[in-house]
Amino acid sequence: ETGVTQTPRHLVMGMTNKKSLKCEQHLGHNAMYWYKQSAKKPLELMFVYSLEERVENNSVPSRFSPECPNSSHLFLHLHTLQPEDSALYLCASSPYRGLDTQYFGPGTRLTVL
Amino acid sequence: KQEVTQIPAALSVPEGENLVLNCSFTDSAIYNLQWFRQDPGKGLTSLLLIQSSQREQTSGRLNASLDKSSGRSTLYIAASQPGDSATYLCAGTSGNTGKLIFGQGTTLQVKP
Repeated sequence: ETGVTQTPRHLVMGMTNKKSLKCEQHLGHNAMYWYKQSAKKPLELMFVYSLEERVENNSVPSRFSPECPNSSHLFLHLHTLQPEDSALYLCASSPYRGLDTQYFGPGTRLTVL
Repeated sequence: KQEVTQIPAALSVPEGENLVLNCSFTDSAIYNLQWFRQDPGKGLTSLLLIQSSQREQTSGRLNASLDKSSGRSTLYIAASQPGDSATYLCAGTSGNTGKLIFGQGTTLQVKP
């Protein structure tokens, strides 16, 4: 499998649930990103990882917890979410953090009830 | 703070027409500018990347330009086809952190 993959593609969860989103890149990249795309709002950067180290947290609430165990995998752990957190969550990767083209996965459509 | 604006928000054209999508940004200290395509419910596909030192990039029927002094970028699509129907997003990189600032997109419909 090539490119950037994300699982699950769709997720419905209650506000008290704990779930995780998974991203995997098969491109040999060293930087990975989480973005949030809400209806009628621009894509927002959430987190940046470079060589498995978190280098940016864009003022994201603590109910979102990222994890990058290695340069190919990125997780977003979710707990006690709110209905307004319903959105498309996109993962991306690039060769290095900086000025390279970012390659996006298909996203996880999250609905919080 | 970098802000990116795209005009128009939506555009409908007949097949075969040439068209221009506009993107403006507030901070001229932009490092590079990317154009992406997003199909409904899908992720983003990178179309063109214009580096800070460049003024334009071309790929097939697509041509993107960057004018940092005026804070503008345009995406030109020649001989549009129904398969071009999608949302087009521009994004600028401020600084060398890789942080992309996105516009809200232009949703294009090309009618057969």
